[in-house]
Amino acid sequence: EDQVTQSPEALRLQEGESSSLNCSYTVSGLRGLFWYRQDPGKGPEFLFTLYSAGEEKEKERLKATLTKKESFLHITAPKPEDSATYLCAVRTYNNNDMRFGAGTRLTVKP
Amino acid sequence: GAGVSQSPSNKVTEKGKDVELRCDPISGHTALYWYRQSLGQGLEFLIYFQGNSAPDKSGLPSDRFSAERTGGSVSTLTIQRTQQEDSAVYLCASSLAGAAGNTIYFGEGSWLTVV
Repeated sequence: EDQVTQSPEALRLQEGESSSLNCSYTVSGLRGLFWYRQDPGKGPEFLFTLYSAGEEKEKERLKATLTKKESFLHITAPKPEDSATYLCAVRTYNNNDMRFGAGTRLTVKP
Repeated sequence: GAGVSQSPSNKVTEKGKDVELRCDPISGHTALYWYRQSLGQGLEFLIYFQGNSAPDKSGLPSDRFSAERTGGSVSTLTIQRTQQEDSAVYLCASSLAGAAGNTIYFGEGSWLTVV
């Protein structure tokens, strides 16, 4: 069965303190791995799609990378406005839907 | 519209009543999805529509839940005889053809509280 596991569950950083969020996956036939940001009371907001091992995508302070078993979301010099829950999801050849991890709740303190 | 639109944004209902939640997908998107997110939990897939194909209902938790999509656009999720455990955010999403691994874009959700 396809599984997506995110770690840590929660992460507290000081402003400017870089770190990484992990998403490990066990799936049959990966079509794509997706990162979303979700603010309280809002729907998930799309960040990145990665399709093959070795691929990297960047947007402002965020960089997503992909290997055959996991993806990392690197946050460089975070700011308080980066505080949110970050969700990882996969699409596979076996399912119509997108399977989500439980998310990492990031708090960046000024 | 510019994004996925959902209504109502908030709904409080009494246990045992039926509720309908509406979703208007992004124009041109043929695939439509419903997810449920309970407090502090991850997103749980409910149902998927793609064009005129039969929907994938594999995620519906019970026969009290049903959904339809009229004219290949607007969708309605219906929950009959609501229970307290149905309290959650119901998220609708859409994408270009679902089988191509395309990005799914979400609405802001309908917050359902069953009292």
